[in-house]
Amino acid sequence: NAGVTQTPKFQVLKTGQSMTLQCAQDMNHEYMSWYRQDPGMGLRLIHYSVGAGITDQGEVPNGYNVSRSTTEDFPLRLLSAAPSQTSVYFCASSPDRKTAEAFFGQGTRLTVV
Amino acid sequence: SQQGEEDPQALSIQEGENATMNCSYKTSINNLQWYRQNSGRGLVHLILIRSNEREKHSGRLRVTLDTSKKSSSLLITASRAADTASYFCATDASGGSYIPTFGRGTSLIVHP
Repeated sequence: NAGVTQTPKFQVLKTGQSMTLQCAQDMNHEYMSWYRQDPGMGLRLIHYSVGAGITDQGEVPNGYNVSRSTTEDFPLRLLSAAPSQTSVYFCASSPDRKTAEAFFGQGTRLTVV
Repeated sequence: SQQGEEDPQALSIQEGENATMNCSYKTSINNLQWYRQNSGRGLVHLILIRSNEREKHSGRLRVTLDTSKKSSSLLITASRAADTASYFCATDASGGSYIPTFGRGTSLIVHP
């Protein structure tokens, strides 16, 4: 059982480039979310989805887009990368609102130069 | 702004001692969870306590919740060097999305 899989694990982008961070889960979870983790800031919620076709903004959504066309996949798109988006990005999923435990991927370390 | 805040930010103890971390939050919650993160890895769920519960145990972990004070504590008893990690509390606000929001974490070092 793979759980939550994030790709790539590491990425270096130039300012202004765009890219998509991939997240897939094989547990048939309804809820999926994206966080960024910066030193001293903990995890901050970027976007989340409570089911296929439904997405919403979290605490720090600017500069990021998401879509949820299937239950399994929840990609995060950086539209025009900025140095301020240098961070470690985590994708998480949880079964539903009654089962709140979140399962995390191993993270994507992104550097924007 | 972040919902939960852990205290202390850093904790250094000897193996065998108990470690206590606290979490305070701002608004009413459905659940409060504690997670662990080893360096460079994803977070791993430790324990969940619901808003109508006051105490929960799991192995060497004990979690308490005081909704009147909007605070929780995580106690790790008889700590081991392998417990060295960062610990985060996460809450989901009542009437909200049920997506957990995290504090900044407590960095625990357990010296052998």
